[in-house]
Amino acid sequence: AQSVTQLDSQVPVFEEAPVELRCNYSSSVSVYLFWYVQYPNQGLQLLLKYLSGSTLVKGINGFEAEFNKSQTSFHLRKPSVHISDTAEYFCAVSYYNQGGKLIFGQGTELSVKP
Amino acid sequence: SAVISQKPSRDICQRGTSLTIQCQVDSQVTMMFWYRQQPGQSLTLIATANQGSEATYESGFVIDKFPISRPNLTFSTLTVSNMSPEDSSIYLCSVAMDWFSYEQYFGPGTRLTVT
Repeated sequence: AQSVTQLDSQVPVFEEAPVELRCNYSSSVSVYLFWYVQYPNQGLQLLLKYLSGSTLVKGINGFEAEFNKSQTSFHLRKPSVHISDTAEYFCAVSYYNQGGKLIFGQGTELSVKP
Repeated sequence: SAVISQKPSRDICQRGTSLTIQCQVDSQVTMMFWYRQQPGQSLTLIATANQGSEATYESGFVIDKFPISRPNLTFSTLTVSNMSPEDSSIYLCSVAMDWFSYEQYFGPGTRLTVT
């Protein structure tokens, strides 16, 4: 079955430290990968996406992610986090020819402490 | 991208009643979707709202419980019928601009509490 696994449910980190949020997906020939952020009591905002081309993709707010096909991973990174990055982060996958639907991971709660 | 609004933003309902949630987009979009986010959980796709035809439901979701309409390319509704406390969730509408972009934009969600 198609699935997405976010390996960490909670990630506490101090302000200005680097962070990596991990995401693995079940293998398929063609996948499209996304990271979304959900701030408290708000909807989802698209952080970045991988559709094709360069495996390193840059998004908003200084985040970047690397698509690794051999490891079926799409980890999210930021070299220096801010208090305002505290939020829930969701990895999502869309598989080719599946009608565009997104399959979400369970989410990672990033908590940035001063 | 697109600007998406949902009404109501939140509601508290009695069990056994129904609630209709509206999703309005500021431009014509190809695809519209409805997701459910149960408390502390991730998002699960309920159905794809098809313009001019019946919605396509995911496994575990049925039309009698979650009837969906999409009369045009900018508007859709989701009804949660015969509600029980287990239906307490955030319901989110999302859109994809075309068949090729794959990325989806989400509305602010409707927070539903069933008592």
